[in-house]
Amino acid sequence: EAGVAQSPRYKIIEKRQSVAFWCNPISGHATLYWYQQILGQGPKLLIQFQNNGVVDDSQLPKDRFSAERLKGVDSTLKIQPAKLEDSAVYLCASSLIVGTHEQYFGPGTRLTVT
Amino acid sequence: AQSVTQLDSQVPVFEEAPVELRCNYSSSVSVYLFWYVQYPNQGLQLLLKYLSGSTLVKGINGFEAEFNKSQTSFHLRKPSVHISDTAEYFCAVTPNDYKLSFGAGTTVTVRA
Repeated sequence: EAGVAQSPRYKIIEKRQSVAFWCNPISGHATLYWYQQILGQGPKLLIQFQNNGVVDDSQLPKDRFSAERLKGVDSTLKIQPAKLEDSAVYLCASSLIVGTHEQYFGPGTRLTVT
Repeated sequence: AQSVTQLDSQVPVFEEAPVELRCNYSSSVSVYLFWYVQYPNQGLQLLLKYLSGSTLVKGINGFEAEFNKSQTSFHLRKPSVHISDTAEYFCAVTPNDYKLSFGAGTTVTVRA
């Protein structure tokens, strides 16, 4: 089966610009997660969707980050405006249902803010 | 809240030698425990998980881990590593089966 797809793989922007990342989960997976992985750290959950509803966005910096999952399939994560400290790898993961321990991760988008 | 400490940030090891990656966690409630591997320029892949039952858990690629509740540890081991095991390894915990808290990672470099 096809895995979790993410694009772009790499993005370089200047601070105060905006950027968007796209994720296509595994077909049939109702739950979708966005993680931020800063260099030298483990991934940190930003937001979790169940179908097209938000389950947990407690660690999403809502003044600059937004995410949506229209139609319960693809998702986009946006940063506007970007700061230097947003430089990180943004990972998307999906799982069959909420409450399952099997999360499947995409390859990530590496963002560099200059 | 839960926290995870991976005691070694880098582990160099020779091919065919054994390796152990140490993970300690802190939690006021029971947790589920996981080890993930991240190969260069790839996403994370689940190696193994402990949910309940036997404290010795076997995973993919010859890895195993042992859950020690009294020491709040979940160390990962492999008796004989290959060059292809060069990767970053993450220990993670969750109290409720979905919100994972990850450690900072251990980079394993296997040398011939």
